[in-house]
Amino acid sequence: GAVVSQHPSWVICKSGTSVKIECRSLDFQATTMFWYRQFPKQSLMLMATSNEGSKATYEQGVEKDKFLINHASLTLSTLTVTSAHPEDSSFYICSALATGLDQETQYFGPGTRLLVL
Amino acid sequence: AQSVTQPDIHITVSEGASLELRCNYSYGATPYLFWYVQSPGQGLQLLLKYFSGDTLVQGIKGFEAEFKRSQSSFNLRKPSVHWSDAAEYFCAVGASTNAGKSTFGDGTTLTVKP
Repeated sequence: GAVVSQHPSWVICKSGTSVKIECRSLDFQATTMFWYRQFPKQSLMLMATSNEGSKATYEQGVEKDKFLINHASLTLSTLTVTSAHPEDSSFYICSALATGLDQETQYFGPGTRLLVL
Repeated sequence: AQSVTQPDIHITVSEGASLELRCNYSYGATPYLFWYVQSPGQGLQLLLKYFSGDTLVQGIKGFEAEFKRSQSSFNLRKPSVHWSDAAEYFCAVGASTNAGKSTFGDGTTLTVKP
Protein backbone atom coordinates (compact mmCIF):
# COMPACT_ATOMS: atom_id res chain seq x y z
CA GLY A 1 0.00 0.00 0.00
CA ALA A 2 0.82 3.72 0.15
CA VAL A 3 1.89 4.09 -3.45
CA VAL A 4 2.50 7.48 -5.02
CA SER A 5 2.81 7.92 -8.76
CA GLN A 6 4.07 10.79 -10.85
CA HIS A 7 3.35 11.60 -14.46
CA PRO A 8 5.20 12.06 -16.66
CA SER A 9 8.35 10.31 -15.54
CA TRP A 10 10.38 12.53 -17.82
CA VAL A 11 9.69 15.45 -20.08
CA ILE A 12 11.63 17.59 -22.53
CA CYS A 13 10.26 20.97 -23.45
CA LYS A 14 11.29 24.16 -25.20
CA SER A 15 12.23 27.25 -23.29
CA GLY A 16 9.21 29.45 -22.63
CA THR A 17 6.64 26.68 -22.52
CA SER A 18 4.80 25.39 -19.47
CA VAL A 19 4.96 21.89 -18.11
CA LYS A 20 2.49 20.19 -15.76
CA ILE A 21 3.56 17.36 -13.46
CA GLU A 22 0.98 15.21 -11.69
CA CYS A 23 1.37 13.52 -8.34
CA ARG A 24 -1.20 10.92 -7.36
CA SER A 25 -1.73 8.86 -4.26
CA LEU A 26 -3.00 5.58 -5.67
CA ASP A 27 -4.37 3.73 -2.69
CA PHE A 28 -4.82 6.34 0.00
CA GLN A 29 -6.04 9.86 0.49
CA ALA A 30 -3.52 12.61 0.99
CA THR A 31 -4.55 15.88 2.55
CA THR A 32 -0.97 17.07 2.38
CA MET A 33 1.58 16.61 -0.35
CA PHE A 34 5.06 18.03 -0.73
CA TRP A 35 7.02 19.05 -3.81
CA TYR A 36 10.79 18.75 -3.87
CA ARG A 37 13.47 19.61 -6.35
CA GLN A 38 16.69 17.67 -6.61
CA PHE A 39 19.77 18.68 -8.56
CA PRO A 40 22.27 16.03 -9.66
CA LYS A 41 24.22 14.56 -6.78
CA GLN A 42 22.46 16.84 -4.33
CA SER A 43 19.84 16.57 -1.67
CA LEU A 44 16.13 17.19 -1.90
CA MET A 45 15.10 20.78 -1.55
CA LEU A 46 11.56 21.37 -0.36
CA MET A 47 9.75 23.75 -2.69
CA ALA A 48 6.25 23.84 -1.26
CA THR A 49 3.64 22.17 0.87
CA SER A 50 0.39 21.44 -0.91
CA ASN A 51 -2.82 21.15 1.09
CA GLU A 52 -6.03 19.89 -0.43
CA GLY A 53 -8.51 22.67 -1.01
CA SER A 54 -6.23 25.51 -0.03
CA LYS A 55 -3.29 27.48 -1.34
CA ALA A 56 0.12 25.94 -1.26
CA THR A 57 2.75 27.16 1.16
CA TYR A 58 6.01 27.96 -0.60
CA GLU A 59 9.48 27.83 0.89
CA GLN A 60 11.59 30.92 0.95
CA GLY A 61 13.12 31.67 -2.42
CA VAL A 62 10.64 29.63 -4.45
CA GLU A 63 8.64 31.71 -6.92
CA LYS A 64 4.98 30.85 -6.46
CA ASP A 65 4.03 32.42 -9.80
CA LYS A 66 6.53 30.26 -11.59
CA PHE A 67 5.80 27.00 -9.83
CA LEU A 68 2.02 26.76 -9.66
CA ILE A 69 0.65 24.10 -7.35
CA ASN A 70 -2.90 22.86 -7.33
CA HIS A 71 -4.23 20.24 -4.90
CA ALA A 72 -7.82 19.92 -6.05
CA SER A 73 -8.56 16.48 -4.68
CA LEU A 74 -7.40 14.16 -1.93
CA THR A 75 -5.46 12.05 -4.40
CA LEU A 76 -3.99 14.55 -6.84
CA SER A 77 -1.61 17.46 -6.69
CA THR A 78 -0.12 19.13 -9.74
CA LEU A 79 2.97 21.25 -10.20
CA THR A 80 3.08 23.50 -13.26
CA VAL A 81 6.39 25.01 -14.23
CA THR A 82 5.39 28.13 -16.13
CA SER A 83 7.55 29.70 -18.83
CA ALA A 84 10.22 27.11 -18.21
CA HIS A 85 13.87 27.97 -18.77
CA PRO A 86 16.98 25.78 -18.89
CA GLU A 87 17.76 26.56 -15.25
CA ASP A 88 14.46 24.88 -14.30
CA SER A 89 15.81 21.58 -15.57
CA SER A 90 15.85 19.28 -12.58
CA PHE A 91 14.41 16.19 -10.95
CA TYR A 92 11.07 16.97 -9.31
CA ILE A 93 9.79 14.64 -6.62
CA CYS A 94 6.51 14.70 -4.76
CA SER A 95 5.55 13.03 -1.52
CA ALA A 96 2.31 12.53 0.35
CA LEU A 97 1.13 12.12 3.91
CA ALA A 98 -1.58 9.51 4.27
CA THR A 99 -4.71 11.01 5.83
CA GLY A 100 -5.78 9.11 8.90
CA LEU A 101 -2.45 7.35 9.29
CA ASP A 102 0.66 8.65 10.97
CA GLN A 103 1.35 12.15 9.84
CA GLU A 104 5.09 11.80 10.08
CA THR A 105 5.80 9.39 7.26
CA GLN A 106 6.06 10.67 3.71
CA TYR A 107 5.46 8.38 0.76
CA PHE A 108 7.49 9.46 -2.21
CA GLY A 109 6.73 9.36 -5.88
CA PRO A 110 9.32 8.08 -8.37
CA GLY A 111 10.13 11.59 -9.59
CA THR A 112 9.86 13.50 -12.86
CA ARG A 113 12.93 14.53 -14.77
CA LEU A 114 12.49 17.82 -16.58
CA LEU A 115 14.83 19.01 -19.30
CA VAL A 116 14.26 22.46 -20.73
CA LEU A 117 16.02 23.16 -24.01
CA ALA B 1 15.96 25.48 12.68
CA GLN B 2 16.60 21.82 12.07
CA SER B 3 19.53 20.54 10.05
CA VAL B 4 21.14 17.29 9.05
CA THR B 5 24.77 16.49 8.30
CA GLN B 6 25.95 13.39 6.52
CA PRO B 7 29.74 13.62 6.83
CA ASP B 8 30.55 11.00 4.22
CA ILE B 9 29.82 11.98 0.65
CA HIS B 10 30.89 8.65 -0.79
CA ILE B 11 31.57 5.27 0.81
CA THR B 12 32.86 2.12 -0.86
CA VAL B 13 32.56 -1.27 0.79
CA SER B 14 33.09 -4.82 -0.37
CA GLU B 15 30.13 -7.09 -0.78
CA GLY B 16 29.55 -8.99 2.44
CA ALA B 17 31.28 -6.38 4.57
CA SER B 18 29.53 -4.39 7.25
CA LEU B 19 28.31 -0.85 6.64
CA GLU B 20 27.78 2.21 8.76
CA LEU B 21 26.52 5.51 7.35
CA ARG B 22 26.76 8.49 9.62
CA CYS B 23 24.10 11.09 10.29
CA ASN B 24 24.19 13.98 12.72
CA TYR B 25 21.25 16.24 13.30
CA SER B 26 20.54 19.56 14.93
CA TYR B 27 17.15 20.15 16.48
CA GLY B 28 16.02 21.76 19.71
CA ALA B 29 13.56 19.12 20.80
CA THR B 30 13.09 15.41 20.26
CA PRO B 31 13.46 14.87 16.55
CA TYR B 32 11.70 12.56 14.18
CA LEU B 33 14.45 10.81 12.22
CA PHE B 34 14.36 8.95 8.94
CA TRP B 35 16.64 7.08 6.59
CA TYR B 36 15.74 6.81 2.92
CA VAL B 37 17.38 5.06 -0.02
CA GLN B 38 17.29 6.35 -3.57
CA SER B 39 18.28 4.26 -6.56
CA PRO B 40 19.43 6.08 -9.71
CA GLY B 41 16.62 8.09 -11.27
CA GLN B 42 14.14 6.93 -8.67
CA GLY B 43 12.19 8.46 -5.83
CA LEU B 44 12.94 7.77 -2.20
CA GLN B 45 12.11 4.63 -0.28
CA LEU B 46 11.80 4.72 3.48
CA LEU B 47 14.23 2.33 5.17
CA LEU B 48 13.35 3.09 8.77
CA LYS B 49 12.23 5.83 11.12
CA TYR B 50 12.55 6.79 14.75
CA PHE B 51 9.97 8.75 16.70
CA SER B 52 10.34 7.50 20.26
CA GLY B 53 10.90 4.37 22.33
CA ASP B 54 13.63 1.86 21.66
CA THR B 55 16.63 3.73 20.32
CA LEU B 56 17.66 0.83 18.08
CA VAL B 57 15.33 0.76 15.11
CA GLN B 58 14.98 -2.08 12.66
CA GLY B 59 14.12 -1.35 9.08
CA ILE B 60 13.65 -3.04 5.77
CA LYS B 61 16.33 -4.81 3.75
CA GLY B 62 18.27 -5.74 6.88
CA PHE B 63 19.09 -2.17 7.89
CA GLU B 64 19.04 -0.80 11.40
CA ALA B 65 19.81 2.56 12.96
CA GLU B 66 20.58 3.73 16.46
CA PHE B 67 19.43 7.03 17.92
CA LYS B 68 22.00 8.53 20.28
CA ARG B 69 20.70 11.71 21.82
CA SER B 70 23.99 12.55 23.56
CA GLN B 71 25.78 12.51 20.21
CA SER B 72 22.91 13.91 18.13
CA SER B 73 23.40 10.99 15.81
CA PHE B 74 21.29 8.48 13.96
CA ASN B 75 23.72 6.20 12.15
CA LEU B 76 22.54 3.56 9.72
CA ARG B 77 24.07 0.08 9.81
CA LYS B 78 23.93 -3.18 7.96
CA PRO B 79 25.95 -6.24 8.98
CA SER B 80 26.48 -7.59 5.48
CA VAL B 81 26.13 -5.47 2.36
CA HIS B 82 24.73 -6.83 -0.89
CA TRP B 83 25.57 -5.51 -4.36
CA SER B 84 21.96 -4.35 -4.68
CA ASP B 85 22.47 -1.95 -1.76
CA ALA B 86 24.50 0.36 -3.98
CA ALA B 87 22.48 3.59 -4.01
CA GLU B 88 22.19 7.05 -2.49
CA TYR B 89 21.19 7.20 1.16
CA PHE B 90 19.56 10.19 2.77
CA CYS B 91 19.07 10.94 6.43
CA ALA B 92 16.25 13.32 7.31
CA VAL B 93 14.93 15.05 10.41
CA GLY B 94 11.39 16.22 10.99
CA ALA B 95 10.09 18.56 13.63
CA SER B 96 8.01 16.88 16.30
CA THR B 97 5.30 19.42 15.60
CA ASN B 98 5.38 18.95 11.84
CA ALA B 99 7.34 15.82 11.14
CA GLY B 100 5.86 15.45 7.71
CA LYS B 101 7.99 18.35 6.61
CA SER B 102 11.51 17.05 6.77
CA THR B 103 14.97 18.45 6.24
CA PHE B 104 17.27 16.16 4.31
CA GLY B 105 21.01 15.66 4.50
CA ASP B 106 23.12 15.90 1.37
CA GLY B 107 23.22 12.14 1.02
CA THR B 108 25.89 9.45 0.99
CA THR B 109 26.61 7.49 -2.15
CA LEU B 110 27.30 3.83 -1.46
CA THR B 111 29.37 1.81 -3.89
CA VAL B 112 29.64 -1.93 -3.38
CA LYS B 113 32.70 -3.74 -4.70
CA PRO B 114 32.32 -7.34 -5.81
